[in-house]
Amino acid sequence: EIVLTQSPGTLSLSPGERATLSCRASQSVSSSYLAWYQQKPGQAPRLLIYGTSSRATGIPDRFSGSGSGTDFTLTISRLEPEDFAVYYCQQYGSSPRYSFGQGTKLEIK
Amino acid sequence: EVQLLESGGGLVQPGGSLRLSCAASGFTFSSYGMHWVRQAPGKGLEWVSSISVSGGTTYYSDSVKGRFTISRDNSKNTLFLQMNSLRAEDTAVYYCAKRPTDYRAFDMWGQGTMVTVFS
Repeated sequence: EIVLTQSPGTLSLSPGERATLSCRASQSVSSSYLAWYQQKPGQAPRLLIYGTSSRATGIPDRFSGSGSGTDFTLTISRLEPEDFAVYYCQQYGSSPRYSFGQGTKLEIK
Repeated sequence: EVQLLESGGGLVQPGGSLRLSCAASGFTFSSYGMHWVRQAPGKGLEWVSSISVSGGTTYYSDSVKGRFTISRDNSKNTLFLQMNSLRAEDTAVYYCAKRPTDYRAFDMWGQGTMVTVFS
């Protein structure tokens, strides 16, 4: 079973700053199968990044993903007020079929 | 409008059953694998179950295997989750989600339906 561990648990930054969120896997994950989601309170998650680095439809280019093997990163180049939310990484594998990290809360400093 | 709309959540006692539905519109439902993901209050996301385009292949998390059954009716553009032998730890918002054909992530989510298992 692949376990995803996200860090930090909470990240406090100001609008305009750069955010770097980490997702570490307990075993190697195919770069094709790593995704990132954003979730705001009371809303469903929204897909940001799939295949490690491909932006989903309508996602601004300030969001970027990178990584390989067991270490993956979501970067938000310049934070906008609407970017403060919880972010989850997710992997696709054999068992369980899909799994999520525990989330990183990005809060306004 | 392209959307997924869940229904069927509610209050149920431990050991009880519920059947969730997810009505799809605005896209060709029968062309996509579909999934259920849940989120306990104040907690993170947990994948629950997946079903193939035809419905012939299904997958479950270990936490629900043997108790939950995923199914679909492509003629009615609807996804289902039959939940039996419910436990307190099944209390969560249940989301249905769609996976595109060309990558392994969920590009569309419903608004969720709340299931509360209480004693």
